[in-house]
Amino acid sequence: GAVVSQHPSRVICKSGTSVKIECRSLDFQATTMFWYRQFPKQSLMLMATSNEGSKATYEQGVEKDKFLINHASLTLSTLTVTSAHPEDSSFYICSAIPGGGTNYGYTFGSGTRLTVV
Amino acid sequence: AQSVTQLDSQVPVFEEAPVELRCNYSSSVSVYLFWYVQYPNQGLQLLLKYLSGSTLVKGINGFEAEFNKSQTSFHLRKPSVHISDTAEYFCAVSGTGANNLFFGTGTRLTVIP
Repeated sequence: GAVVSQHPSRVICKSGTSVKIECRSLDFQATTMFWYRQFPKQSLMLMATSNEGSKATYEQGVEKDKFLINHASLTLSTLTVTSAHPEDSSFYICSAIPGGGTNYGYTFGSGTRLTVV
Repeated sequence: AQSVTQLDSQVPVFEEAPVELRCNYSSSVSVYLFWYVQYPNQGLQLLLKYLSGSTLVKGINGFEAEFNKSQTSFHLRKPSVHISDTAEYFCAVSGTGANNLFFGTGTRLTVIP
């Protein structure tokens, strides 16, 4: 089945530094990937839609300059948290749609636990 | 736009008992509906999905869900739960012509031995 690999699974960084999270589709091409943020004991909040070869579409309230998204190939999207602060600590999850249509369902990565100290 | 309401934030149930996790949605367009399970510190795994056709959908791990258009519901059921079913369950909806998934707030299922 379709697999999405997310790396790293866990990262701790100092306040003020930047962290890059990778999301790869292993056995399919993904023209569109999605980035979610999940706070403890809460649901997933869509942050942005990542489109291969073009700019990402950010949801309202998500800072574009803080959460940089790059989708340079059909199998890789990256999320960079710039100048991270403790309030950016969260669980970040990416997803992609195999086959390009929602009727195929969404495949999720295993998530990245970011802790900013 | 679409939205999802999961009325129960926590559902405790004894092992081998049946369980129903409720999900209601709101949408002005036709929808696809999904149930996902999330184990601690992991991503989401698809349990089942409704796209069209039969309103009773069977998924993995013995779960099933029924789409009820008149009641705008998509409740998840399992006739006999196991300890391993303890997890967070999310209902999600997307418009048939869109890519975005909208999630409910989740239901924490705890199976008691």
